Amino acid sequence: EVQLAESGGGLVQPGGSLRLSCAASGIKFSTYSMTWVRQAPGGGLEWVSAINTVGSNTYYASSVRGRFTISRDNSKNTTYLQMSSLRADDTATYYCAAAGTGVWGQGTLVTVSS
Amino acid sequence: EIVMTQSPVSLPVTPGEPASISCRSSQSLMHSNGHNYLDWYLQKPGKAPQLLIYLASNRASGVPDRFSGSGSDRDFTLKISRVQAEDVGVYYCMQALQTQYTFGQGTKLEIK
Repeated sequence: EVQLAESGGGLVQPGGSLRLSCAASGIKFSTYSMTWVRQAPGGGLEWVSAINTVGSNTYYASSVRGRFTISRDNSKNTTYLQMSSLRADDTATYYCAAAGTGVWGQGTLVTVSS
Repeated sequence: EIVMTQSPVSLPVTPGEPASISCRSSQSLMHSNGHNYLDWYLQKPGKAPQLLIYLASNRASGVPDRFSGSGSDRDFTLKISRVQAEDVGVYYCMQALQTQYTFGQGTKLEIK
């Protein structure tokens, strides 16, 4: 069974940093592009970032470009989202997804507040 | 950016009755391979979105056959033949043609 498990969320002050992880199991991780999607409380779904299979190409929403960095370690079947200069409007549940599979993790909540 | 527009926003349905959700994209979702890169998800309260339909008309594994997807190019529809209580939640369409996925604003299905 394909599973994705996010971790690393929590409460952080405005301007702070946080690194999210997404560990994959049940798939040949290195053959899938990976994506991060977020959902603000009570809101809709917003695509955040994506990375290709070998990590050579990365993509960002304009709202996070320059502040977030996506990466992956295929030896660990894990993708990461390094978030810095966090703002209140980054508060959301962050989901990772394996592109083309329809498989999403359960999400990890990030709260940016003083 | 491809803009996705869903309707209706709210959908009250009597159990056993059919339901239909529309999704329109600002540009064609037809790939050169002939597939339409349009997925449908259901997000139940407090849960992650779950895939219902991929490539516009293919049911995901384990999805009941009362769910069906249709459409092509820019216009797509999700139909539930007979709504059950367990179908409540928010339905989203999502385009996967571009790396920058975009989503409809969601349709909240509730039981009358």
